[in-house]
Amino acid sequence: KAGVTQTPRYLIKTRGQQVTLSCSPISGHRSVSWYQQTPGQGLQFLFEYFSETQRNKGNFPGRFSGRQFSNSRSEMNVSTLELGDSALYLCASSSRGSNTGELFFGEGSRLTVL
Amino acid sequence: TQLLEQSPQFLSIQEGENLTVYCNSSSVFSSLQWYRQEPGEGPVLLVTVVTGGEVKKLKRLTFQFGDARKDSSLHITAAQPGDTGLYLCAGVLNTDKLIFGTGTRLQVFP
Repeated sequence: KAGVTQTPRYLIKTRGQQVTLSCSPISGHRSVSWYQQTPGQGLQFLFEYFSETQRNKGNFPGRFSGRQFSNSRSEMNVSTLELGDSALYLCASSSRGSNTGELFFGEGSRLTVL
Repeated sequence: TQLLEQSPQFLSIQEGENLTVYCNSSSVFSSLQWYRQEPGEGPVLLVTVVTGGEVKKLKRLTFQFGDARKDSSLHITAAQPGDTGLYLCAGVLNTDKLIFGTGTRLQVFP
């Protein structure tokens, strides 16, 4: 079956702009989590959605938001971009009711903020 | 803040050498996962350990969960260039929260 699909793979934005990233989970997976990965901070948890509800949220400012649709596809949005938001954003889906089961990651969306 | 420290942070070795990566915390985990991430890809699950003291083998990789379920190790025997990547441990807390380790970047040279 198809894996987790993230779009776009690469994007470049300037400070102050906003960006929306998309994630399509593995078919049948209802849990979707988002992570930010940077060389200095490693893999940081952003939020987790299950059945269109945000169940957990990491320690990120309100500029980071997300949502999940009825078909389990998820989007995350970052507003008023800052240079420090440059990172690889990973989406992961899980068949379990939370993000603590096996996570299946997409290839990520690499965001560069200039 | 719960921390999951991995050591070493970087490891550069020759093909055929053995190595061990450590994952340590002061927190107790109900289970612990190990992932490998190759350049340009997302992490891929290698193994999940659940019981304190548990040892799991995956070909040349041996994973061990500490008796107190606070730490874990990954040992690779006769490393190959294909083992190159970022190794991440991830612990599941009793609060059903998953936290990732700081990562170990392994480079195996032919």
